[in-house]
Amino acid sequence: EADIYQTPRYLVIGTGKKITLECSQTMGHDKMYWYQQDPGMELHLIHYSYGVNSTEKGDLSSESTVSRIRTEHFPLTLESARPSHTSQYLCASRVGTGGRTYEQYFGPGTRLTVT
Amino acid sequence: KNEVEQSPQNLTAQEGEFITINCSYSVGISALHWLQQHPGGGIVSLFMLSSGKKKHGRLIATINIQEKHSSLHITASHPRDSAVYICAVSKTFSNYKLTFGKGTLLTVNP
Repeated sequence: EADIYQTPRYLVIGTGKKITLECSQTMGHDKMYWYQQDPGMELHLIHYSYGVNSTEKGDLSSESTVSRIRTEHFPLTLESARPSHTSQYLCASRVGTGGRTYEQYFGPGTRLTVT
Repeated sequence: KNEVEQSPQNLTAQEGEFITINCSYSVGISALHWLQQHPGGGIVSLFMLSSGKKKHGRLIATINIQEKHSSLHITASHPRDSAVYICAVSKTFSNYKLTFGKGTLLTVNP
């Protein structure tokens, strides 16, 4: 069982509000990821982090921002939510040592609806 | 064209049937991943493989590197196997991230 947590699980919020989606893991993983998934569609990487104070944008452009001040915590923020941000957001993590490939562990996701 | 293609998109089976989900990819990879996503959204990693075959319980995953093709088999399917099954690859020169297929929605009826 992976120890990676996301809160809230569901969020309905009005346009223009600032929101922060929380993601925490207790496995000491260096690499963490945020994915966006629209219904019936594939996951797209929007942010990733190699470690503390290291974040990069992913393949899909996103108006959200992230921070990585502590190894275990990787929050995602939307300064001004819009209906186009309505989606599911999934956080993931994996070990980061060396050049090998490792499996990713996923959180339960946050389903965001912006009205 | 997506770099990772899955078929079928939707699959309905009767309990007990043998199920196969296919995945083809068009890029060089260091590993291929099979993931399971239940209603509600959470994703679980089932397999990570770079060659040959892996088995876990009633699930079997195979990969043919030369043909750039992988299959996920479920033997003696059960309604609790109903989920979306996702194929993803770690590309050779960017293996820190995954490239995903669109998933296969499997429904197993009792």
